[in-house]
Amino acid sequence: DQQVKQNSPSLSVQEGRISILNCDYTNSMFDYFLWYKKYPAEGPTFLISISSIKDKNEDGRFTVFLNKSAKHLSLHIVPSQPGDSAVYFCAASAGGNTDKLIFGTGTRLQVFP
Amino acid sequence: DGGITQSPKYLFRKEGQNVTLSCEQNLNHDAMYWYRQDPGQGLRLIYYSQIVNDFQKGDIAEGYSVSREKKESFPLTVTSAQKNPTAFYLCASSILAGAETQYFGPGTRLLVL
Repeated sequence: DQQVKQNSPSLSVQEGRISILNCDYTNSMFDYFLWYKKYPAEGPTFLISISSIKDKNEDGRFTVFLNKSAKHLSLHIVPSQPGDSAVYFCAASAGGNTDKLIFGTGTRLQVFP
Repeated sequence: DGGITQSPKYLFRKEGQNVTLSCEQNLNHDAMYWYRQDPGQGLRLIYYSQIVNDFQKGDIAEGYSVSREKKESFPLTVTSAQKNPTAFYLCASSILAGAETQYFGPGTRLLVL
């Protein structure tokens, strides 16, 4: 029972263009969402988060959008850079308990010149 | 240089053997976590500890044990009861239990001989 789904296992984008990574969730109790970035053989690093009271959060080139009615969030990276090539995981938590994060399966982003 | 260290990077386990994965942090974080990552799956929570001398089971605790005798250290033992131990194991910490962001170590890959 996958509560957090990233249906696209991979995405390929040209440098300078926008990358859009998608994440869907099924648990309506989720109220906090995070995106992590992971390079091979390294641990994930936190990228950006959003609370369910917001529908958008922006940090430099990274913007996360939350559509609660559709139970969908997306991460926009613009402009995309080759160094953004990594696996991106979305994660969610419920009831303010961020000790128990539920992760998606990840999307591998490749940014080519 | 603050951070989370995990050792070893690769670990081999024989059938029926217990092995212990090390996780140390010098970030003065209260909370620590163990996750497992399998190919094509998201990270799944094994155990977490909100404070020294206390820990709780995550979603897939069977076949694993932990201890939290010191704030800096949260070792994970993969016991012989864990029938499918081959995976990438990630340790994380956060400044407080339920804090927004978890910081991850580089991971340990466990292989069964």
